[in-house]
Amino acid sequence: SSELTQDPAVSVALGQTVRISCQGDSLRTYYAGWYQQKPGQAPVLVIYGKNNRPSGIPDRFSASNSGNTASLTITGAQAEDEADYSCNSRDSSGNHVLFGGGTKLTVL
Amino acid sequence: QVQLVESGGGVVQPGKSLRLSCVVSGFSFSRFGMHWVRQAPGKGLEWVAVLSYDGGNKYYADSVKGRFTISRDNSKNTLFLEMSSLRADDTAIYYCARDYCATSTCYYFDYWGQGTLVTVSS
Repeated sequence: SSELTQDPAVSVALGQTVRISCQGDSLRTYYAGWYQQKPGQAPVLVIYGKNNRPSGIPDRFSASNSGNTASLTITGAQAEDEADYSCNSRDSSGNHVLFGGGTKLTVL
Repeated sequence: QVQLVESGGGVVQPGKSLRLSCVVSGFSFSRFGMHWVRQAPGKGLEWVAVLSYDGGNKYYADSVKGRFTISRDNSKNTLFLEMSSLRADDTAIYYCARDYCATSTCYYFDYWGQGTLVTVSS
């Protein structure tokens, strides 16, 4: 498969834990990157590789991987986490990039 | 601090050409691969192209291959995207983004510009 699939929308109660998933064959070979994007802003990298956070990203963001599925977990979701979350990985050639369609996270 | 600033967007007729620029500062530009990523209005992110840190390797999404050309001028800390034969479905915000890895290409994007809007319309 040459695509990454995400659920269009997910919601979570304030302070609770939410998992956002990304499925695709390429994830059997490559780790996903995860991006947070708020309206009118550029994306921000929140997770890359197996489970790495860039400097400045809160430790409530974490990643896990199983087979063809990558997951982003937010433990103790905050109001400011409400955003679109997109995953990416290389494709089977290793030289192109796939993006998931994005998941809109609502914090209730 | 790291900054990426795109320019060159605008309204262009179908079939015409446009060149985007991305001027960077705050890091050693010549050590990092660079990408263009676009986002159509209300849609998800779509990778467009990558250029390795030394300019030796470049790859394109199938949707733009043969029409777009990515290039860089390391002496001017500038990334370019030359777009030709533009179509309505090329309408999007175009972001330049830095690859996370130095002197390699990891295909994670750790710094992004604010984007420049390209509208293809007659």
